[in-house]
Amino acid sequence: AQTVTQSQPEMSVQEAETVTLSCTYDTSESDYYLFWYKQPPSRQMILVIRQEAYKQQNATENRFSVNFQKAAKSFSLKISDSQLGDAAMYFCAYALYYGGATNKLIFGTGTLLAVQP
Amino acid sequence: NAGVTQTPKFRVLKTGQSMTLLCAQDMNHEYMYWYRQDPGMGLRLIHYSVGEGTTAKGEVPDGYNVSRLKKQNFLLGLESAAPSQTSVYFCASSYRQDNEKLFFGSGTQLSVL
Repeated sequence: AQTVTQSQPEMSVQEAETVTLSCTYDTSESDYYLFWYKQPPSRQMILVIRQEAYKQQNATENRFSVNFQKAAKSFSLKISDSQLGDAAMYFCAYALYYGGATNKLIFGTGTLLAVQP
Repeated sequence: NAGVTQTPKFRVLKTGQSMTLLCAQDMNHEYMYWYRQDPGMGLRLIHYSVGEGTTAKGEVPDGYNVSRLKKQNFLLGLESAAPSQTSVYFCASSYRQDNEKLFFGSGTQLSVL
């Protein structure tokens, strides 16, 4: 069975600094997607970034980038130039890909990120 | 520009009572999901639907039932609520062709006393 592990329950970063959130996963499959979701205090889940396992290039979305290490089954999120609005719970998620579509997502337990002014 | 709407946002039940949570989406998404979120456990999939009239069990389906009579609506029912069902419930939806991009509702806080 696939599992997703986030070993950092809480993290803190100074405004304008860079922070990296860790995520590891376990799977025997070769085709899958990985995601980072953001959940601010409003509880709305927001997709931050996604990575296709077959792509070697790390995904980037503005200030958000990932370090995808397929062999190590590691998928970390780097937030550059942190802003107060980045404060939220961040979830790492995995989805198996087959038959031209992805299967249901499996989420990690989340990392609560605080941004200090 | 509603997206995914969940009702109610908060609810308190007594053990044994029943209730239905409603999820509505206006994006013509084929897939819909119900998750529960508990502290320290992330989000766990309860049930999901890949189209109107279809439902399937997720990771933690016991104690819940669902229905998808209309494409835009996905209902989650608790027939006899238990304290273990105290949780925050999230509905999500996605397109079939791009179904890893989930659109989430804002959640329902349910307390069972």
